[in-house]
Amino acid sequence: DAGVTQSPTHLIKTRGQQVTLRCSPISGHKSVSWYQQVLGQGPQFIFQYYEKEERGRGNFPDRFSARQFPNYSSELNVNALLLGDSALYLCASSLPFSGSGNTGELFFGEGSRLTVL
Amino acid sequence: AQKVTQAQTEISVVEKEDVTLDCVYETRDTTYYLFWYKQPPSGELVFLIRRNSFDEQNEISGRYSWNFQKSTSSFNFTITASQVVDSAVYFCALSPYNQGGKLIFGQGTELSVKP
Repeated sequence: DAGVTQSPTHLIKTRGQQVTLRCSPISGHKSVSWYQQVLGQGPQFIFQYYEKEERGRGNFPDRFSARQFPNYSSELNVNALLLGDSALYLCASSLPFSGSGNTGELFFGEGSRLTVL
Repeated sequence: AQKVTQAQTEISVVEKEDVTLDCVYETRDTTYYLFWYKQPPSGELVFLIRRNSFDEQNEISGRYSWNFQKSTSSFNFTITASQVVDSAVYFCALSPYNQGGKLIFGQGTELSVKP
């Protein structure tokens, strides 16, 4: 079975531009989470989506938005890019959110590396 | 506030040495989950273990072992007889109860195993 797939793998943008990153979860996984990993640091939680609804949001500005589609794939959008947005953006999928504390294994993709010039 | 601290930024060992990666966490929750992930140069985070807060039993999986001590809020990871393929960045993470999909990661420990 295919793992979590993300596209594009690398991209370069300039300040002020907008970017859309895409993620396809593992088949059967209905929950998708997004993380930002700046070089030399641990990943930071951005969003979690389940059944097309936002279930959690990290401490990121409104320039960051996401959505989940009926096939459970997801997009992360970042507007008005800043130099500090340069990072590896990781998508993770997991089994259905049970609502009772499902914190099973998150399966991560290889990420989209964004460079903002 | 919830926080994970990995005080060791970099560790370098020679192959076949044992090495322990430290992890200390902070949370006010009584129920939570702890994880270890491995990140090779490819960037993909590879799941190693999950432990819930009610299970303090230590675990061994091959050359890997984990020591969970709730009294000291620590969840340390030991690799026995290290190998060059163990070279990677290792992250400890905390998941709050009822917030599936959200992990709070430590800063990571870069392990270099030299032949």
